[in-house]
Amino acid sequence: GAGVSQSPSNKVTEKGKDVELRCDPISGHTALYWYRQSLGQGLEFLIYFQGNSAPDKSGLPSDRFSAERTGGSVSTLTIQRTQQEDSAVYLCASSLLAGGTEAFFGQGTRLTVV
Amino acid sequence: AQKVTQAQTEISVVEKEDVTLDCVYETRDTTYYLFWYKQPPSGELVFLIRRNSFDEQNEISGRYSWNFQKSTSSFNFTITASQVVDSAVYFCALSKGNTGFQKLVFGTGTRLLVSP
Repeated sequence: GAGVSQSPSNKVTEKGKDVELRCDPISGHTALYWYRQSLGQGLEFLIYFQGNSAPDKSGLPSDRFSAERTGGSVSTLTIQRTQQEDSAVYLCASSLLAGGTEAFFGQGTRLTVV
Repeated sequence: AQKVTQAQTEISVVEKEDVTLDCVYETRDTTYYLFWYKQPPSGELVFLIRRNSFDEQNEISGRYSWNFQKSTSSFNFTITASQVVDSAVYFCALSKGNTGFQKLVFGTGTRLLVSP
């Protein structure tokens, strides 16, 4: 596609359920990033993938959060046993290279945990 | 630790007015990058500019200009002759060293409202 695509655009889930958020980066982009935007914490870095290198998971807030990137393209962010504080907009971005090039963001997935 | 402060929570102007959005940053790195992003109501973050710590030259792009001053750790953004379409939330961000876009530390954003 022309841009970074995220699905679903909105997700409402019950507390304690698991959710999966999907990101389709721009074709050919080797770097992929997940950020979270919430009222209380603003925009926070979560995780970063670059090619076949081990991902940088330093921003994941707890072990309930995990992400994978299959085939160097699509990425899935999984949140297990969701809590109300997980409610936020989850933004994905991709760039052609890790550094030195512009990152393009998707429109995000708005997650609401009730 | 890195930190970005955008003290202006919301700014309201009338179309054609000039407006400056302030950004102050903290970092112990000698090499770093500074960014501005625009977030319109649709939600996606739109890249506006990246500046590395060794380049203090001010930049102008159309109605947009940026003033980077290391002496005051500031990277301010000015919109000249504002337009209604400029209404959005603007974020200033910082990344360490030569990591480029890998880990951005964002400010809390400034909401700009431009009325006709």
